Amino acid sequence: NAGVMQNPRHLVRRRGQEARLRCSPMKGHSHVYWYRQLPEEGLKFMVYLQKENIIDESGMPKERFSAEFPKEGPSILRIQQVVRGDSAAYFCASSGPLAESSYEQYFGPGTRLTVT
Amino acid sequence: QQQVKQSPQSLIVQKGGISIINCAYENTAFDYFPWYQQFPGKGPALLIAIRPDVSEKKEGRFTISFNKSAKQFSLHIMDSQPGDSATYFCAASMQRGAQKLVFGQGTRLTINP
Repeated sequence: NAGVMQNPRHLVRRRGQEARLRCSPMKGHSHVYWYRQLPEEGLKFMVYLQKENIIDESGMPKERFSAEFPKEGPSILRIQQVVRGDSAAYFCASSGPLAESSYEQYFGPGTRLTVT
Repeated sequence: QQQVKQSPQSLIVQKGGISIINCAYENTAFDYFPWYQQFPGKGPALLIAIRPDVSEKKEGRFTISFNKSAKQFSLHIMDSQPGDSATYFCAASMQRGAQKLVFGQGTRLTINP
């Protein structure tokens, strides 16, 4: 099985531009989570989505950030009007159905966003 | 109450030695405790996980010890190898892991040959 896929792996944006990060979960997984990792720090939860639904967005900044997981296609994390403080690694994780052995979250390779 | 505190921040161990990383939590609703290994430039990889109904879980050279009353858990790496050099994160979540992971700050482990 292919793992969690993220693209692009590296993204450079100028201040004020938009960034779109894509995540395709593992085959058979229907739950997607986005986390952000600042340099030399741990991962911070941003948002948890299932197909066509946002389940928990308690970690999302109130402005400029949005996420979706459409019925078809990858999950997308969108950052509008990027600022230098948005520079970080953004990781997507996926998990399977809410069954006994399917709660593990598997991470993708991340997208490293640099805002210049 | 949502925090997970991890220590030490960095650790140097000789090859063949035992590496020990500790984590503590406050929220008693947490019921799933995984450990992740991350190499530079890569995503975190799930290493081993434990539920609060057991006190220890072992997979190869990796062991999680869990102390429910103290709200602490630790990762032991036996016979540490240079290839184990990485950053290790503990985490916790509620409702059997179906919810967001709360991560510790990470431990940078270096195994000297």
